[in-house]
Amino acid sequence: DIQMTQSPSSLSASVGDRVTITCQASQDISNYLNWYQQKPGKVPKLLIYDASKLQTGVPSRFSGSGSGTDFTFTISSLQPEDIATYYCQQYDNLPWTFGQGTKVEIK
Amino acid sequence: EVQLVETGGGLVQPGGSLRLSCAASGFTVSSDYMNWVRQAPGKGLEWVSLIYSGGNTYYASSVKGRFTISRDDSKNTLYLQMTSLRADDTAVYYCQGGGSLWGQGTLVTVSS
Repeated sequence: DIQMTQSPSSLSASVGDRVTITCQASQDISNYLNWYQQKPGKVPKLLIYDASKLQTGVPSRFSGSGSGTDFTFTISSLQPEDIATYYCQQYDNLPWTFGQGTKVEIK
Repeated sequence: EVQLVETGGGLVQPGGSLRLSCAASGFTVSSDYMNWVRQAPGKGLEWVSLIYSGGNTYYASSVKGRFTISRDDSKNTLYLQMTSLRADDTAVYYCQGGGSLWGQGTLVTVSS
C-alpha cells in the first residue's frame, strides 16, 4: 500500500497568514492526489484534485502543487472559516489511501 | 438537487451483519466510480471500497472477504454489505461519488 505522510499534524496560525501543508507519498503517484477539507462535525469537501486543479466553487486562496512523491497544499491568506482538518488522498494505486490529516487552528 | 443519502447504520453485535444503502438523486451511481469511506470516532479518513462504472470492485485489506460493495442501477443506489463485524469497524460510513460528491454519513457501532 502507498503510505501518505502529511506534515505537520497540526498548526496554529493567525488570520491572514500563509499556511502550507505537505504530503509525501511512499512511491511515485504522478499527480493523482486530492486535497479535502473537513470542518468539525461536517462531511469532507474536495478542494483540489489532480494535485493542483481547483474544484469548482472553491476560493482561489486554496492551491495545490507537486507531482511524483512530494505535494504541497497552501492557503494564501488564512480565514476564520478555514478552521478544519485537511487530508491528502492518493488515487494512483489501489487501495486508495489518505494522509493522517492536518488540523488547522487560529492563533 | 444532487445528493447522496446513506441509511442502514446502527448498533450491531460483534460478528453481526449490516447493509448500508446510499440512494442517489441528481446523480447516476453507474455513471462514475463510487466509494465507501469511513471515519472512526476522532480518527482520520479510511478508504473502504470502490466500484467502477464497469462493475469492477476493490476493497481495503481490512475489510476484504467481509464487506461487499454493489449497486442497483434500477434504484440508483449503492450498497455495502458488511458481515463478521468487529469493534474496529465502528465508524461513520460515507458514500462518495466521483470524488466530489459525499453523503452525510451513517454511524455503525459494533459493540456487545
